[in-house]
Amino acid sequence: EIVLTQSPGTLSLSPGERATLSCRASQSVSSSYLAWYQQKPGQAPRLLIYGASSRATGIPDRFSGSGSGTDFTLTISRLEPEDFAVYYCQQYGSSPKHTFGQGTKLEIK
Amino acid sequence: EVQLVESGGGLVQPGGSLRLSCAASGFTFSSYSMNWVRQAPGKGLEWVSYISSSSSTIYYADSVKGRFTISRDNAKNSLYLQMNSLRDEDTAVYYCARGSLRCLDPWGQGTLVTVSS
Repeated sequence: EIVLTQSPGTLSLSPGERATLSCRASQSVSSSYLAWYQQKPGQAPRLLIYGASSRATGIPDRFSGSGSGTDFTLTISRLEPEDFAVYYCQQYGSSPKHTFGQGTKLEIK
Repeated sequence: EVQLVESGGGLVQPGGSLRLSCAASGFTFSSYSMNWVRQAPGKGLEWVSYISSSSSTIYYADSVKGRFTISRDNAKNSLYLQMNSLRDEDTAVYYCARGSLRCLDPWGQGTLVTVSS
């Protein structure tokens, strides 16, 4: 079973700054199978990035994904107030079918 | 508009049963795999179960195997999760999510299941 470890656990930044979130896999993951989600309090998760680097429909271009193998990154180029939330990476596999990282909380500094 | 709406959550005693439903609209339900994902209060996301578009392939997380059963009715555009032998640790918000491009999109708003005596 592949384990996804996200870092940092909490990231404190100000609007306008750049955010870099990390997701490390315990084994190599196909880039096609790595996604990122955003979850705001009281809301369901929303898909941001799929295939490691493709933005989902309607996602602003300040969000970008990169990486391969065991190291993946979600970057938010210039933080907007609405970007402060919890972010999860997710890997599609065989069994379990979907594995999530533990999440990174992006909070306002 | 693609929409998923869960229902059926509530308070149940340990050892009890509950059946969750997810009503889909705005897309060809029979063409997509579907999943259940849960989130315990204040915790992260945990995938629970997967069902292929034709119901021919089903997977469960080890934590629910033998107790939960996923099913779907393509004629009714509906997904179900039958939960038996419920435990305290099954307390969570349960989301249904469409499988798409090896990820989950979109998600329903969730339904809360509370297991407590």
